[in-house]
Amino acid sequence: QQQVKQSPQSLIVQKGGISIINCAYENTAFDYFPWYQQFPGKGPALLIAIRPDVSEKKEGRFTISFNKSAKQFSLHIMDSQPGDSATYFCAASIRETSGSRLTFGEGTQLTVNP
Amino acid sequence: DSGVTQTPKHLITATGQRVTLRCSPRSGDLSVYWYQQSLDQGLQFLIQYYNGEERAKGNILERFSAQQFPDLHSELNLSSLELGDSALYFCASSAPGVGQREYFGPGTRLTVL
Repeated sequence: QQQVKQSPQSLIVQKGGISIINCAYENTAFDYFPWYQQFPGKGPALLIAIRPDVSEKKEGRFTISFNKSAKQFSLHIMDSQPGDSATYFCAASIRETSGSRLTFGEGTQLTVNP
Repeated sequence: DSGVTQTPKHLITATGQRVTLRCSPRSGDLSVYWYQQSLDQGLQFLIQYYNGEERAKGNILERFSAQQFPDLHSELNLSSLELGDSALYFCASSAPGVGQREYFGPGTRLTVL
């Protein structure tokens, strides 16, 4: 019930291409779906997040698509750049006044070739 | 820089030992979370404190414990260490209120030999 499944495990994209990472969740009580970016030796950093009452959210080159009925959401990175090479984690949580405990996907290692 | 600080950055110890990891949240943040990142388990939520009180427990072993002090810094205590406890331990913090984002610290890399 608490799992978040992420795919693919690794992804290689050419500069300028579109990177797509997919996630699926089970717990319908989740109401917050963030994506985190992590560079080697650093902590995860929030990239973009969405709530289930919205089907899409775009911030710059990053877009989240959300399908509530399928319990799936995805991250699209447009015009991928070598600097985007990092590990990406999807996550889900139930927001409360005291905060949101994150359940993470397994991570996707993205490599953008120049 | 997220504003969350963690010490030490690296920790090397032996099996059976006990260590303490420290986290200082961002100014004004009341919630502190601890996560463990290992190669085979990914990022796993361990425990959350809110304004000094334990709020939620995840996949935290009984050998592990944590607390949040009145100044809101937090410590994660790991005892009877095993080789499998080697991992990155992250602390995150968030401000009070629904929808507040979590900010992660740089992590402590624990190596158990």
